Amino acid sequence: AQSVAQPEDQVNVAEGNPLTVKCTYSVSGNPYLFWYVQYPNRGLQFLLKYITGDNLVKGSYGFEAEFNKSQTSFHLKKPSALVSDSALYFCAVRDYKLSFGAGTTVTVRA
Amino acid sequence: GAVVSQHPSWVICKSGTSVKIECRSLDFQATTMFWYRQFPKQSLMLMATSNEGSKATYEQGVEKDKFLINHASLTLSTLTVTSAHPEDSSFYICSAGPGVLDEQYFGPGTRLTVT
Repeated sequence: AQSVAQPEDQVNVAEGNPLTVKCTYSVSGNPYLFWYVQYPNRGLQFLLKYITGDNLVKGSYGFEAEFNKSQTSFHLKKPSALVSDSALYFCAVRDYKLSFGAGTTVTVRA
Repeated sequence: GAVVSQHPSWVICKSGTSVKIECRSLDFQATTMFWYRQFPKQSLMLMATSNEGSKATYEQGVEKDKFLINHASLTLSTLTVTSAHPEDSSFYICSAGPGVLDEQYFGPGTRLTVT
């Protein structure tokens, strides 16, 4: 079965500092990996995906993620965090359906 | 990006009544839609896969007679919570995508409160 793990429940950073949200995956075959963000009482918004190709994937709102096959990781990154980036972030892997990680709450302090 | 809508955004109902939640893909057709349930500050739990023109596929532990799913067209899926009880109170989210391996687009969610 495919799965992803997000080892950190919470990440706290100061505005302007780099932000990293960690995700590791376990799949049989090629991984199809996604990052989503959720704001309070809202549905999920798509940030980026890795299907194939370049290991560095660029997405919405200045986010990017690096696919690392040897470490089975797909960490989400942003060079300079904003207070408005504070939200709940989900990593997901897909075969026919999406399987989500537990989520990481990001808090960016001013 | 593509838009998925849900209606209603929130609903309060009395125990024992039924509630219908609609999920629509507004600018693409979706042969498959997904229904999730989310508890506060937790991840999404997949409840079922809604297939246009055929029966839904339910995840283990989800009561199909309680959570009725109808996918009558390529742009509409409905989830009906029958004989609702307070423990059914939750945030219900649907998703759809234009292709099998494309990203899923999520509805804004429906907050159900059963009193």
